[in-house]
Amino acid sequence: GAGVSQTPSNKVTEKGKYVELRCDPISGHTALYWYRQSLGQGPEFLIYFQGTGAADDSGLPNDRFFAVRPEGSVSTLKIQRTERGDSAVYLCASSRRGGYQETQYFGPGTRLLVL
Amino acid sequence: AQRVTQPEKLLSVFKGAPVELKCNYSYSGSPELFWYVQYSRQRLQLLLRHISRESIKGFTADLNKGETSFHLKKPFAQEEDSAMYYCALSPAYSGAGSYQLTFGKGTKLSVIP
Repeated sequence: GAGVSQTPSNKVTEKGKYVELRCDPISGHTALYWYRQSLGQGPEFLIYFQGTGAADDSGLPNDRFFAVRPEGSVSTLKIQRTERGDSAVYLCASSRRGGYQETQYFGPGTRLLVL
Repeated sequence: AQRVTQPEKLLSVFKGAPVELKCNYSYSGSPELFWYVQYSRQRLQLLLRHISRESIKGFTADLNKGETSFHLKKPFAQEEDSAMYYCALSPAYSGAGSYQLTFGKGTKLSVIP
């Protein structure tokens, strides 16, 4: 079946602009995670959704970052007033219910470059 | 705070040689440990988890709580094993219900023909 998809695959923007990154999880998966992977680093957790609600947003670096999942399926990560330090690969993952030991399935990522 | 350390950024071995990718963790409790792999131009995918005690593609990993390690091993490396490997942990219990993964920085394995 179809895996997790993310659009766009690449995004180039200018410092100060607003960007939206989209994640389409595996159908039926209620749990959705966003991670950010900077160059030479492992992925770092940003936010976790269970259904429509953000159950854990402790990884968001500041209030310029925001994410929504209004219908409990597709999620959008929104970054305001982008900075060069926001350049990274943004990964989305989903799992069936978000429970203990569940496998997280990752999307291909969106590579964001802020000039 | 939880942390995962992978001391080697790059590991090169010859085909047929044994492989060991090191992973150490710090966590105040009993975490769940995983190895994820990313082959060239592919997405990150689960290789194995400690709770399953299974061997995937010839790889095994044993959780050593005394040494807080979860090293990944394979007795005979193959060229197709060349990839980026990430060790990760998640909490065994989460009051918030979030089992997010904490990753190491990764080790690039290169198998020389």
